[in-house]
This record gives sequence, C-alpha cells and structure tokens, in this order.
Amino acid sequence: GAVVSQHPSWVICKSGTSVKIECRSLDFQATTMFWYRQFPKQSLMLMATSNEGSKATYEQGVEKDKFLINHASLTLSTLTVTSAHPEDSSFYICSARAVQVTYNEQFFGPGTRLTVL
Amino acid sequence: AQTVTQSQPEMSVQEAETVTLSCTYDTSESNYYLFWYKQPPSRQMILVIRQEAYKQQNATENRFSVNFQKAAKSFSLKISDSQLGDTAMYFCAFMNNNAGNMLTFGGGTRLMVKP
Repeated sequence: GAVVSQHPSWVICKSGTSVKIECRSLDFQATTMFWYRQFPKQSLMLMATSNEGSKATYEQGVEKDKFLINHASLTLSTLTVTSAHPEDSSFYICSARAVQVTYNEQFFGPGTRLTVL
Repeated sequence: AQTVTQSQPEMSVQEAETVTLSCTYDTSESNYYLFWYKQPPSRQMILVIRQEAYKQQNATENRFSVNFQKAAKSFSLKISDSQLGDTAMYFCAFMNNNAGNMLTFGGGTRLMVKP
C-alpha cells in the first residue's frame, strides 16, 4: 500500500514551452501533497505544499506564477512548469500525506526528470 | 526555522561491516519527528527509519538503528552487516508536527558499500 506515482517519469521540452507533471496517490487519499526539486548530487528542496481544494503554499524564492500547482482531488496534484527555461531542468519529486495516518509519514513518488533544451 | 546538517558528504564501508552516518539538527520545537531516507540510484525515496521526539527509546528496523540524543540534537544512523544494496544517498530529515508536516532535509551522505 501507500503507492505514489508520477507521470511522466522523464520529459524533454523546448525552452518557452510548458510542462505538466502529475502526482497520484494510487491506494490512499492524500490531504496534502508536497513538491520537491532536486539538483544533481544535492538534497531535496521543498517547493510548495498543496492541500486538496485550496491554493498551494509556496516556499520563499519559488515563483508561484512559474510553478503552478493544482490539487483538484484527494488523489491528484499537478505541477505545471510554465515557460520553461534550461535552468528549470531538474528532478522533481512529489510526496503525499494520507488522510488517515497513524504516524506522520510522507510517501514519495518516483520523480520526474525534466530537461529543457 | 529548522536546519538539518549531515557532516559526511561521502562514506564507504566494507560489506558485512558496520557504519554510522551522522546527523544534527537545530530546532526550538518539542513536538517533532526525525527520519532517515535512502535514495538509491533509481532516485526513489525510501523510508529507512523513523523516530518520534517524545520517545526516549532508540528506533530499530532490522539492520538499521538510530542513536537519538535529544539534548544534543543528534540523530545518527547505524547500519549493521552492510550489504551491497545499501549503497545509496542517505538523507536525514526533520518534521515539525506543528508546521504542516513539512520535511526539512539534510544535505545527504553518499554511502558506498564495497565488496
């Protein structure tokens, strides 16, 4: 149980285009989903927290107009990178927190590698 | 704000031996969790072990155990009988229960298990 999927697993796009990444909790309902960014050989940096049915909360320094997050249901959150540029190339990871938890844990998706040409 | 520090960027250990990864954190909170995550080359984050701050007893999960020193704000991970499959990045993480359950990660330690 507690499986989180991400789609696509990797994507290559041209500079100036937009890319949407989906994060799904497959066997549980997620009240909260988190989006992280990871550069090569670095740690995970939290970008934003999304709660179902409400606006996402962005971390300081993360442009909310560039990284659009939608959490329309208890099993799906999307991250759209708008007008992507080469510096947006990175590994994006989502995680989900279950509605009913006996302990605090985030379940992580497998990540999406974005390359902007 | 919380900070998590892993002072060992890289470590290596011989197969079957024991290795300890260090982690220190800084917080003024009293209600929190600490985690160790493993990120193998596949880059899938895998929970290794979890410790609730209010518990004095150190958590253990098979070959993995922690040394939780709350006063010193230290949370080290011991891997016993190291296996080749333990080769990965290891991240220490802090979760403040009073702040939306967000995780703050340390910089990571790259562990190489040698045959």
